[in-house]
Amino acid sequence: KAGVTQTPRYLIKTRGQQVTLSCSPISGHRSVSWYQQTPGQGLQFLFEYFSETQRNKGNFPGRFSGRQFSNSRSEMNVSTLELGDSALYLCASSLAGGAGGNTIYFGEGSWLTVV
Amino acid sequence: QQQVKQSPQSLIVQKGGISIINCAYENTAFDYFPWYQQFPGKGPALLIAIRPDVSEKKEGRFTISFNKSAKQFSLHIMDSQPGDSATYFCAASRPAGTALIFGKGTTLSVSS
Repeated sequence: KAGVTQTPRYLIKTRGQQVTLSCSPISGHRSVSWYQQTPGQGLQFLFEYFSETQRNKGNFPGRFSGRQFSNSRSEMNVSTLELGDSALYLCASSLAGGAGGNTIYFGEGSWLTVV
Repeated sequence: QQQVKQSPQSLIVQKGGISIINCAYENTAFDYFPWYQQFPGKGPALLIAIRPDVSEKKEGRFTISFNKSAKQFSLHIMDSQPGDSATYFCAASRPAGTALIFGKGTTLSVSS
């Protein structure tokens, strides 16, 4: 069974540009969430999507957005990139959401460098 | 406000020894407490998780101890091996959704 797949794995963008990251969850999983990982702030929750609807949102500015498609695949977008957006962006999927009863699986992440 | 505090930041253990990582949380609404292991260049992988209705859960060499009254939980790695060298994260979440609140992580190095 394929795991959570994220593309691209590595990318370099210039300050002010925008970026779109893609995530394919494990087959059958309907919940997709996104996290940002940096050395200083650690792992921080961005948002979660379930059945194409944003169900939960972390404390990030509006430049960070996402969406989920009918096949559960998800994309996140960061507009007007800042140097501080350089991070590993992790996508995670779970069967139905609700962390108490469902294991959350992470992908290997997309490394974003903003120069 | 850091809702999940993890210690120590780094840990060096001899092969065969016991590695202990501690976490404390503030929000009593949390009801799910997983531990994740992350190797360089990889995403976090779930090791073991516990709900607050049990005080201990063991899976192989990994044990979670949970103290609800103290709002603390810990990961014990028995017979630590060099292959256990990684960064470990504790986390917590509320009943709804999958918003995991992570600790800052502990870098474990097991020397042979």
